[in-house]
Amino acid sequence: DQQVKQNSPSLSVQEGRISILNCDYTNSMFDYFLWYKKYPAEGPTFLISISSIKDKNEDGRFTVFLNKSAKHLSLHIVPSQPGDSAVYFCAASTGNQFYFGTGTSLTVIP
Amino acid sequence: DADVTQTPRNRITKTGKRIMLECSQTKGHDRMYWYRQDPGLGLRLIYYSFDVKDINKGEISDGYSVSRQAQAKFSLSLESAIPNQTALYFCATSDLLDREETQYFGPGTRLLVL
Repeated sequence: DQQVKQNSPSLSVQEGRISILNCDYTNSMFDYFLWYKKYPAEGPTFLISISSIKDKNEDGRFTVFLNKSAKHLSLHIVPSQPGDSAVYFCAASTGNQFYFGTGTSLTVIP
Repeated sequence: DADVTQTPRNRITKTGKRIMLECSQTKGHDRMYWYRQDPGLGLRLIYYSFDVKDINKGEISDGYSVSRQAQAKFSLSLESAIPNQTALYFCATSDLLDREETQYFGPGTRLLVL
């Protein structure tokens, strides 16, 4: 069973607008959540994270929101730039293992 | 120089062959991981190791084995490759800081089993 789900395989956004990527999880024991960005022919790179004791974490244009009651995580990118076009993975951790979503391919249209 | 390197980057092999994928890191991390990525399935954990003497099975360890030769080296072996092991394989390292842990990934090895 997929414990971390990204239900949107792809998303297209105009440059300068907001990109919102969503992630749902089922395991209430997850206490740390991350977003990774992946370009073709490269490994995933860390983007931003959030601990379960917080509901928001911001880093420049990237903000991650956590709604524990809904078991929902989202990544906001504002403003979106063409260089943000990539596959984005959310991940969740229990402290020993990481569980990844299936990824959302973001295309930012100039 | 990359912090996490994987060799080979691409490999084509035949069913039944033994193959080894290697991972090296210069980050000084204790924790190392092997994942595979398949279309529509994201990254799935194969094996992980928290130090040289520690090896743990992940979500999909059947058909794979690993060796942690040193803190910096973690190898993944397919003893008898089969076509459904065709995938993109990633090695990752991490260090646990105050229960917050970020993984750093290698560039991946693309494996095709014919």
